[in-house]
Amino acid sequence: GAGVSQSPSNKVTEKGKDVELRCDPISGHTALYWYRQSLGQGLEFLIYFQGNSAPDKSGLPSDRFSAERTGGSVSTLTIQRTQQEDSAVYLCASSSGLSQETQYFGPGTRLLVL
Amino acid sequence: QKEVEQNSGPLSVPEGAIASLNCTYSDRGSQSFFWYRQYSGKSPELIMFIYSNGDKEDGRFTAQLNKASQYVSLLIRDSQPSDSATYLCAVRESGTSYGKLTFGQGTILTVHP
Repeated sequence: GAGVSQSPSNKVTEKGKDVELRCDPISGHTALYWYRQSLGQGLEFLIYFQGNSAPDKSGLPSDRFSAERTGGSVSTLTIQRTQQEDSAVYLCASSSGLSQETQYFGPGTRLLVL
Repeated sequence: QKEVEQNSGPLSVPEGAIASLNCTYSDRGSQSFFWYRQYSGKSPELIMFIYSNGDKEDGRFTAQLNKASQYVSLLIRDSQPSDSATYLCAVRESGTSYGKLTFGQGTILTVHP
């Protein structure tokens, strides 16, 4: 019965370092989405998973960003060589196959790149 | 570039009043529209979705959709201080069978006692 969980809740890193953000969706939800919310910006779509496949990666801002999903469950978003403009809240959402549009959001990971 | 625009706000209304939040979208083929509420420091939560032209009511909330004008709104009746939050309009991208959403910038609503 748990909701979407994300870890860490906060991450402070130095410019140039790699970071990994984790999302644990609601059990049984086949669809998983990553979004980014920057200060003063709306929520931006990053990537969509259906099962372990990512049929839509169109929102990933650069090749420094990658994501994977294993076992149809946990997903990891990796940002390599972080830049200050990567500072944002990274939100994960999941939905069931029956109602793809009702997305349940996790609490987010607040990333600060110094 | 598909866009979703919301009235910039912030919007301040007295307790008990009707709050009106507006949103326009550029993707004429869009079929699904959503309103999310986001409290400060929290994640968005879905309030309502609407697919058909006209009104859809759920408690104190009414969503209104006019596809011809590419306009969707959210009315909150009998506004309460607990309604104070940022309201996000989201549109599902046409041509997708999954929930790829484009969000507006959000409108900050403050309901004062």
